[in-house]
Amino acid sequence: NAGVTQTPKFRILKIGQSMTLQCAQDMNHNYMYWYRQDPGMGLKLIYYSVGAGITDKGEVPNGYNVSRSTTEDFPLRLELAAPSQTSVYFCASSFLGDVQYFGPGTRLTVT
Amino acid sequence: DQQVKQNSPSLSVQEGRISILNCDYTNSMFDYFLWYKKYPAEGPTFLISISSIKDKNEDGRFTVFLNKSAKHLSLHIVPSQPGDSAVYFCARRGGGSNYKLTFGKGTLLTVNP
Repeated sequence: NAGVTQTPKFRILKIGQSMTLQCAQDMNHNYMYWYRQDPGMGLKLIYYSVGAGITDKGEVPNGYNVSRSTTEDFPLRLELAAPSQTSVYFCASSFLGDVQYFGPGTRLTVT
Repeated sequence: DQQVKQNSPSLSVQEGRISILNCDYTNSMFDYFLWYKKYPAEGPTFLISISSIKDKNEDGRFTVFLNKSAKHLSLHIVPSQPGDSAVYFCARRGGGSNYKLTFGKGTLLTVNP
């Protein structure tokens, strides 16, 4: 099993550009999550999904969108990138909502 | 508002000694707490957890203690090893069916050889 994979690892965006952060898991987990981690801070939940076709907002959803068309994939969309979205983004999944397994992260810089 | 606080940004210990990482939380009826370890440029990895119906959970060198009256939990690492050097996050899973986690800011543990 590859676990949770994220692409790309690094990305630099200009203000106003759009991009999609990819996340995939091969553990057949129902629950998937997107977090962001700013320097010196803990992880903050952006969006989550409890199954295909079901998504909901977390603590910091503004500026982001998600979709969950399959169990395996949970992409995160940034429509109009802003400097405040410079962060490290982590995707996670869990089976029964207990232990979450994290991907390696995507480091995004918006300039 | 469910809050999890790790008040020590960093901790330095000698190899072989005990490391104690602390976490405080706000009031709740039932919770499940987890500790994650994070190396630079990697995602967090699960370390150990404890349900609020327990006081202690042990897994090898790692033990988590939960003091419900003080709303405090701690992670003990004995003996500490240089490979334990990482950022440790305390996380709390609240109730409901979405199993969202609330994370503390983390504590950077450095174990010196």
